[in-house]
Amino acid sequence: DIQMTQSPSSLSASVGDRVTITCRASHNTNNYINWYQQKPGKVPKLLIYAASSLQSGVPSRFSGTVSGPDFTLTISSLQPEDFATYYCQQSYSLPWTFGQGTKVEIK
Amino acid sequence: QVQLQESGPGLVKPSETLSLTCTVSGGSIGNYYWSWIRQPPGKGLEWIGYVYYSGGTNYNPSLKTRVSMSVDTSKNQFSLKLTSVTAADTAVYYCARGEGNASPVHFDYWGQGTLVSVSS
Repeated sequence: DIQMTQSPSSLSASVGDRVTITCRASHNTNNYINWYQQKPGKVPKLLIYAASSLQSGVPSRFSGTVSGPDFTLTISSLQPEDFATYYCQQSYSLPWTFGQGTKVEIK
Repeated sequence: QVQLQESGPGLVKPSETLSLTCTVSGGSIGNYYWSWIRQPPGKGLEWIGYVYYSGGTNYNPSLKTRVSMSVDTSKNQFSLKLTSVTAADTAVYYCARGEGNASPVHFDYWGQGTLVSVSS
């Protein structure tokens, strides 16, 4: 199985901050990386697919990039509604696997 | 607008079989990887497996001996069965659509999730 490791596990940030979350895979994923947002008690929501493609309807402050073995989700200017847990997920190799999540909290 | 809705018992006894159905509305059940994903209380997401619209399946090896999935295209439904459940199977179970026709597979539509508790 491909292990997905996210860092940090949690972070505190203020509205307006630039936030970056990193995900590293244990094996090659050919950039088959997706990012989801989950608010407490809510359904996960797709933000980014194929590492850098913005899902329709998702605000442009969310972006996904690749640098070497690291995949990064960036929120350019954190908004109140962005406080949530974020998960990366690979769909390159079965079984499809998720990272452990990164919780973004209010500072 | 595509919508998914899980249905099934919210309480299952240990050693029995968990059975859930997901009904898809607002779109075709064709050409997608219809998946089940679960989330134990306070924990992360685990992909259980998928059933393709044609009936082909793929399961997470961690659950493979206990899982089966099927699709009923005439009803726009797909189903999950998990046998010999224990308390460790207590989780919110989500059904989700895996879209991968022109890009790597990603879960673009999700059901609301249903909490299944395993307890006697």
